[in-house]
Amino acid sequence: SQTIHQWPATLVQPVGSPLSLECTVEGTSNPNLYWYRQAAGRGLQLLFYSVGIGQISSEVPQNLSASRPQDRQFILSSKKLLLSDSGFYLCAWSENRGDGYTFGSGTRLTVV
Amino acid sequence: AQSVSQHNHHVILSEAASLELGCNYSYGGTVNLFWYVQYPGQHLQLLLKYFSGDPLVKGIKGFEAEFIKSKFSFNLRKPSVQWSDTAEYFCAAPNQAGTALIFGKGTTLSVSS
Repeated sequence: SQTIHQWPATLVQPVGSPLSLECTVEGTSNPNLYWYRQAAGRGLQLLFYSVGIGQISSEVPQNLSASRPQDRQFILSSKKLLLSDSGFYLCAWSENRGDGYTFGSGTRLTVV
Repeated sequence: AQSVSQHNHHVILSEAASLELGCNYSYGGTVNLFWYVQYPGQHLQLLLKYFSGDPLVKGIKGFEAEFIKSKFSFNLRKPSVQWSDTAEYFCAAPNQAGTALIFGKGTTLSVSS
């Protein structure tokens, strides 16, 4: 069966520090991968999606970037964190674009 | 651009009351529609989905949703809620390019026993 792993679960980082959040999927190949940010009362904001290795689409210009170095690995990064980057980050995958998603457990990022 | 609107931000019900949460989407093409639920401290999980066919779809835990194309709506219903239904509920639809899901802002449901 397919599983999705996301880590770390919580992270406290100072302003200006770099960020790397990792997401991996097991039990499938060539998944569609997504990064969302969830904020209270604002729903889920799509940040990036990827349909294959090295293929990244950005939905919202901001202080973050994403990479997909391997088929089932999706990384969210920042060179210098801002206070506004604080939030709950969710990784998700789907087999096909129109399918429902399976979400990871999320990372709570606090930038101080 | 596609947008998804959930009209109720916070709904408070007593056990056994009926539930209806509103969801409207803006893009009128062929859409797949979803409801997700996030129980306290748990992952987001799929509650139900509509792809085609019967506009009344049934999901887990007694939930159902009705797709009304003329109203661009996909409202979630449950005849009798339980305390364990306390959660946040999100409606979702594909963006106009069909590349990713767009989520509503969510509705928090609080059920008192």
